[in-house]
Amino acid sequence: GENVEQHPSTLSVQEGDSAVIKCTYSDSASNYFPWYKQELGKRPQLIIDIRSNVGEKKDQRIAVTLNKTAKHFSLHITETQPEDSAVYFCAASIRQAGTALIFGKGTTLSVSS
Amino acid sequence: GAVVSQHPSWVICKSGTSVKIECRSLDFQATTMFWYRQFPKQSLMLMATSNEGSKATYEQGVEKDKFLINHASLTLSTLTVTSAHPEDSSFYICSALTGYGAKNIQYFGAGTRLSVL
Repeated sequence: GENVEQHPSTLSVQEGDSAVIKCTYSDSASNYFPWYKQELGKRPQLIIDIRSNVGEKKDQRIAVTLNKTAKHFSLHITETQPEDSAVYFCAASIRQAGTALIFGKGTTLSVSS
Repeated sequence: GAVVSQHPSWVICKSGTSVKIECRSLDFQATTMFWYRQFPKQSLMLMATSNEGSKATYEQGVEKDKFLINHASLTLSTLTVTSAHPEDSSFYICSALTGYGAKNIQYFGAGTRLSVL
């Protein structure tokens, strides 16, 4: 079955720096890759997603890149702010129609001012 | 839009009792909902896929007789933890699928913290 590896598990940056989180997946049939942000005690919130027919997607300070050949995708956050501090999860779709998701183990991002 | 409500947010029960958790899509119809379990500082583990009008699909290692799922309407799925034991204590979180085909997006409920004494 699908396996999603996420690195690093923790990431500390200074405010204004960039942060990069990387994930790899095993199932070449996966076609949908969302990223969720979970603040302490709160529900996961979708921040950006990418589908397998696209190589890169950007939304203001957040971007995601996908390399289908290598089966890896990355989250890039530029000009980090303290409010970006949270746990970030990558996920990859499994099974038909790309509905169910398998999540990576998460990255705890700490942005210090 | 795309609001998912989950109740209760926190429940404490005695060992051996059953607990029901509700997941509702408030402003959209969800033919598919998902149930996850999340341990402290860990990832979301998919437990089962709940399909409206049909049996749930359980992931490997998840006991279907232990975790009963019912998806009786397009806006409600329930997870019942039967004969709960302390090892069932965890954070349970649901999500609902909105859209079709390439536009599928999961929106999450706020989660239920279950403590079994």
